[in-house]
Amino acid sequence: KQEVTQIPAALSVPEGENLVLNCSFTDSAIYNLQWFRQDPGKGLTSLLLIQSSQREQTSGRLNASLDKSSGRSTLYIAASQPGDSATYLCAVTPTGNQFYFGTGTSLTVIP
Amino acid sequence: EPEVTQTPSHQVTQMGQEVILRCVPISNHLYFYWYRQILGQKVEFLVSFYNNEISEKSEIFDDQFSVERPDGSNFTLKIRSTKLEDSAMYFCASQRLGSTNEKLFFGSGTQLSVL
Repeated sequence: KQEVTQIPAALSVPEGENLVLNCSFTDSAIYNLQWFRQDPGKGLTSLLLIQSSQREQTSGRLNASLDKSSGRSTLYIAASQPGDSATYLCAVTPTGNQFYFGTGTSLTVIP
Repeated sequence: EPEVTQTPSHQVTQMGQEVILRCVPISNHLYFYWYRQILGQKVEFLVSFYNNEISEKSEIFDDQFSVERPDGSNFTLKIRSTKLEDSAMYFCASQRLGSTNEKLFFGSGTQLSVL
């Protein structure tokens, strides 16, 4: 069964700092990987999707990379802002339907 | 921007009672999902639904659970006889097409508390 792990579990950084969140998965047979943001009391918002054939995706200050063979992905956030404070989840799917989620990284950006 | 809508936001029920959680997916989406998140744990897949039938389900989705698309807009999750361990946040999600480059769109969730 696919296991997804995220490190660190929590991260606190001063505003303006660049940071990297890590995600690892045990089974490299994936269709795609998505990074989500979860705010308290709200649903999940998809930030970036990387197909299995891709190496990275960028959206604004966010850049996600995928190394399928080693079972790793990173989410890079440039010039962090207090509004980036949230829990970040990565999820992989072997079929396109069933996603396996990590436990998330809780990010706090201090003004 | 279109969004997935879930009602109610909170549901409290007694153990053994039936509950129905409701979702309105994004209108041109074809794939629908239910996930749940027990407090402090990972988001877990329950079931996926396409073309009026279940396409995949997890071990969690046993005979106590059922899903239905009763009309062209609603997608429901029914728990027949709730247990204490069913207490969780339940998320509905939808996807335009079930292909590799389609993002999942989630609703805000229904917090179910079983007493």
